[in-house]
Amino acid sequence: SAVISQKPSRDICQRGTSLTIQCQVDSQVTMMFWYRQQPGQSLTLIATANQGSEATYESGFVIDKFPISRPNLTFSTLTVSNMSPEDSSIYLCSVDGQGRGEQYFGPGTRLTVT
Amino acid sequence: GQNIDQPTEMTATEGAIVQINCTYQTSGFNGLFWYQQHAGEAPTFLSYNVLDGLEEKGRFSSFLSRSKGYSYLLLKELQMKDSASYLCAVKDSNYQLIWGAGTKLIIKP
Repeated sequence: SAVISQKPSRDICQRGTSLTIQCQVDSQVTMMFWYRQQPGQSLTLIATANQGSEATYESGFVIDKFPISRPNLTFSTLTVSNMSPEDSSIYLCSVDGQGRGEQYFGPGTRLTVT
Repeated sequence: GQNIDQPTEMTATEGAIVQINCTYQTSGFNGLFWYQQHAGEAPTFLSYNVLDGLEEKGRFSSFLSRSKGYSYLLLKELQMKDSASYLCAVKDSNYQLIWGAGTKLIIKP
């Protein structure tokens, strides 16, 4: 299984500002995924990031609000732009495992917007 | 639409056995996954089923019936550390993961 790290692990941000979350994987992977998980809720996929192409966003998520970069096969960033308290959540990146398609998750970034 | 149903919460006793059910309606099927998520932590992969039947891995087993759109996760010899949320997820025809809301399992001494 891949080892995934995320930075920052947590942050408290003011309304209207932006935060960039970094995700680093210890091996090369084709697809990386960004999820949001609000307290007590399940996972909601924000977008899928492939290296060398535009990220694919799920319904309800747009590039202007959640721009994603994928400069190489081991790294991706998610920016939460113009934040509001409704963006307070845990943001998780994940990658596909080999073969069966299971996903492995980073430790998450706990974001609080005040 | 696509839907995955799991009980919201279950309670069991240390040392006992518990079965967590998952039913799904998805556009196509390319595998079912169970994940464990402790409070404040990321989900970790537990099991994978793509064919009907039982997959056993130590104290945990997972069962699948594709014709019934049904799976369960069986946890034996429960330990306090098994207190966590258990998430069921299905890969649909587009190989996209559809997630259930998760079942919070509370283990009592």
